[in-house]
Amino acid sequence: DIQMTQSPSSLSASVGDRVTITCRASQSISSYLNWYQQKPGKAPKLLIYAASSLQSGVPSRFSGSGSGTDFTLTISSLQPEDFATYYCQQTYTTLLTFGGGTKVEIK
Amino acid sequence: QLQLQESGPGLVKPSETLSLTCTVSGGSISSSSYYWGWIRQPPGKGLEWIGIIYYSGSTYYNSSLKSRVTISVDTSKNQFSLKLSSVTAADTAVYYCARRLTISTYYFDYWGQGTLVTVSS
Repeated sequence: DIQMTQSPSSLSASVGDRVTITCRASQSISSYLNWYQQKPGKAPKLLIYAASSLQSGVPSRFSGSGSGTDFTLTISSLQPEDFATYYCQQTYTTLLTFGGGTKVEIK
Repeated sequence: QLQLQESGPGLVKPSETLSLTCTVSGGSISSSSYYWGWIRQPPGKGLEWIGIIYYSGSTYYNSSLKSRVTISVDTSKNQFSLKLSSVTAADTAVYYCARRLTISTYYFDYWGQGTLVTVSS
């Protein structure tokens, strides 16, 4: 199974901050990497697919980069509605796996 | 607008079988462009993929659950279902159904709201 490791597991940031979350795969997954945002009591929401493609309707302050084993999700200017938990997901293999999540909290 | 809605018992006894159904509205489950899947999330923990099914009935399961999981589809009702046998407290989780593309990077683009299933006597 491909293991996905996210870092940090949590972070505190202020509105307007630039935030970067990292996801590392245990083996190369090309660009088969997606990012989701989850708010408490809600289903995950797709933000980024194919490592760097922005899902329709998602604000442009969200961006993704990387390929192979190392990926990043960046929020260029954190907004109040962005406080949530973020998950990466690899879909390179049939056995899909998620990262452990990164909780973004208000400083 | 596509919608997915999970339904089923919220409480299941240990050793019994968990059964959930996902009803799809606003779109056809028989589309060749999508798989339909189940993902779960134990309270306070991360996401775990359970499995997916194509409208033809073709399935893929998480190997860690494969011996206990069955996913089926009923195209006449636009529904697909999950059965998880021999449940224990470790199977307590919010269960989500979702739509997965068959192209690009196979992401889940539409999700149900989730349903909490508690395993307890």
